[in-house]
This record gives sequence, C-alpha cells and structure tokens, in this order.
Amino acid sequence: NAGVTQTPKFQVLKTGQSMTLQCAQDMNHNSMYWYRQDPGMGLRLIYYSASEGTTDKGEVPNGYNVSRLNKREFSLRLESAAPSQTSVYFCASRAGQSGANVLTFGAGSRLTVL
Amino acid sequence: AQKVTQAQTEISVVEKEDVTLDCVYETRDTTYYLFWYKQPPSGELVFLIRRNSFDEQNEISGRYSWNFQKSTSSFNFTITASQVVDSAVYFCALSELSPMNRDDKIIFGKGTRLHILP
Repeated sequence: NAGVTQTPKFQVLKTGQSMTLQCAQDMNHNSMYWYRQDPGMGLRLIYYSASEGTTDKGEVPNGYNVSRLNKREFSLRLESAAPSQTSVYFCASRAGQSGANVLTFGAGSRLTVL
Repeated sequence: AQKVTQAQTEISVVEKEDVTLDCVYETRDTTYYLFWYKQPPSGELVFLIRRNSFDEQNEISGRYSWNFQKSTSSFNFTITASQVVDSAVYFCALSELSPMNRDDKIIFGKGTRLHILP
C-alpha cells in the first residue's frame, strides 16, 4: 500500500547543477501534480498532468520541466538549479478530471541549492 | 481565476480553547470543491474534509466542524476543546469541476500555523 512515492527525500545541489525528482503512484490515478512549499507561501502548484500524455503549467513553472512517463510516473526536472529553488517539493495524485477527487501526497523531497 | 486566502498566518491558543481557522475563496465556477488538509510537524499532508459547492450544510466530526457559507465565499474550520496534538499547519484548497477539459488544478491557500499551548 505504497500510495505516492517520491525520491530522493533529501538532496543538496550547487547552483547550476541539474537533477530530477521522481514520483510514482500505485493507485491507478489519472492526475498527478508537483507542488513546492516555502515558508509563508503555502503550497504552490508547479506543474500538473491531468492524464497520461498531457502536462500543464501551474502557478510557478519557471525553471522546471516535467515528464509524464506513463500513468504511474511523473518526474520534475531542474535543468540549472538556483538558490530560489530551495524548497520542499511534494508530488500528489488523484483519480482526476473531477474536482471532487481528493489529493494523495507523497512524503516530500527537501531540496537545498547552494 | 481561482484564489484561496487564509488571512491568519499563525494562531496560538491554550489547550481546551476553541479556535476557528478562516478560509475565503474566489472562483468563477458555480460547481467547485473545497478541502482542508492538515500538516503536522512530521511534514506529511493529511486530508481532513471535502465539501462541494451545492452542499452548504455544516459538518461536524468529533471536535472538528466546518462552516461553509457560499454567500461570503468562506469555508471556516473550528476545533473545539483544542489539544496539543492539533498543533499543525492547516491548508484550505479549492478545486473547480472541469470534467470536459484538461484543467484539473487544485489551488491551496498559504496555510495557518496553529500552536496549541499546554
């Protein structure tokens, strides 16, 4: 009963380095999301994917790319990390294409960019 | 555009007091859903409640209650007889119903950090 699994849990990068955050869900959900959480800013939507093969920008997409590899997996890539991208990142999924469905979140990935 | 406002950044109350967390939302849709999530110090995000825009009945679950008022676009959360374990960050969220298109966003407020003092 894994739910939503994110890797890695912690990562430290230097400015300019690249990395990919991985997310996988085993609930057969259609929609997947990436949020970032910063102090005083709440949860802000970076990108989402309403179904396999589609991705859309959220509130704060600049500096990020995403790939919906298949129905289970949704990765978030930082091509050239910046200190402003220091944050806790949450992946989430829900059954999708209905506002009623509840989000299930991963445990979060803490990223520090030096 | 969707917007969720939680004006209370941080609240501290003494244990056993009642506390209300405010949530005000904006949406152009007539059909939408509102949620509350809890984030305890351990960091995970836990779903508490969902309410649709057509159901304005208040809901009570143990010490928790929710007051949905469409006329004021508010969905407030009250904890009665608070306990130390209620200390957490609480998020209100809004999701518009878009079954025919790809817009499946759910937007969160900035959260309210609640401290329950022993």
